[in-house]
Amino acid sequence: EIVLTQSPPTLSLSPGERATLSCRASQSVSSYLAWYQQKRGQAPRLLIYDASNRATGIPARFSGSGSGTDFTLTISSLEPEDFAVYYCQQRSNWPYTFGQGTKLEIK
Amino acid sequence: QVQLVQSGSELKKPGASVKVSCKASGYSFTTYGINWVRQAPGQGLEWMGWINTNNGNPTYAQGFTGRFVFSLDTSASTAYLQISSLKAEDTAVYYCARPYSSASRGWFDPWGQGTLVTVSS
Repeated sequence: EIVLTQSPPTLSLSPGERATLSCRASQSVSSYLAWYQQKRGQAPRLLIYDASNRATGIPARFSGSGSGTDFTLTISSLEPEDFAVYYCQQRSNWPYTFGQGTKLEIK
Repeated sequence: QVQLVQSGSELKKPGASVKVSCKASGYSFTTYGINWVRQAPGQGLEWMGWINTNNGNPTYAQGFTGRFVFSLDTSASTAYLQISSLKAEDTAVYYCARPYSSASRGWFDPWGQGTLVTVSS
């Protein structure tokens, strides 16, 4: 099973700042990595798939990069609604696995 | 619009069974499989497996064999998750989720709103 390790566990930033979240895979997943946003009490929402493609309706301030084992989700300028938990997920190998999440909180 | 609507919260005693439903609308149900994802309280996401809505063939991730059963009622565009012999550690929110597109079957969107299953005596 591929283990995804996200860092940092918690990121404290202010609106308007740039957020950089990391996800490292225990073995190569090529570009088969996605990012999800989950707000409290809600289901996750797909943000980025295939490492760098924005899902439909996702604002341009969200971007993804990386391949192989190291990936990054960048939020260029934080809006109040962006404070949430973010998960990465791989679909390179079964079982599909998720990282443990990064909580993005208001500083 | 494409939507998955799940059944409501359940409170069950240890040893009982529960059946969670996931009703799809806004697309042809048999075009995409349905995935199931578990989220224990305060924890992350865990993929449980998926069911092929064309032929009803389920695939279970390790750790979700035996007590967990995926099923369908294609006439009602509904998928089901049944858990038997419930244990306290089954307490979680269970989500159904559809593949994002036919070319992106391992990515999930949309998701159902989640069903909280609480197992307590």
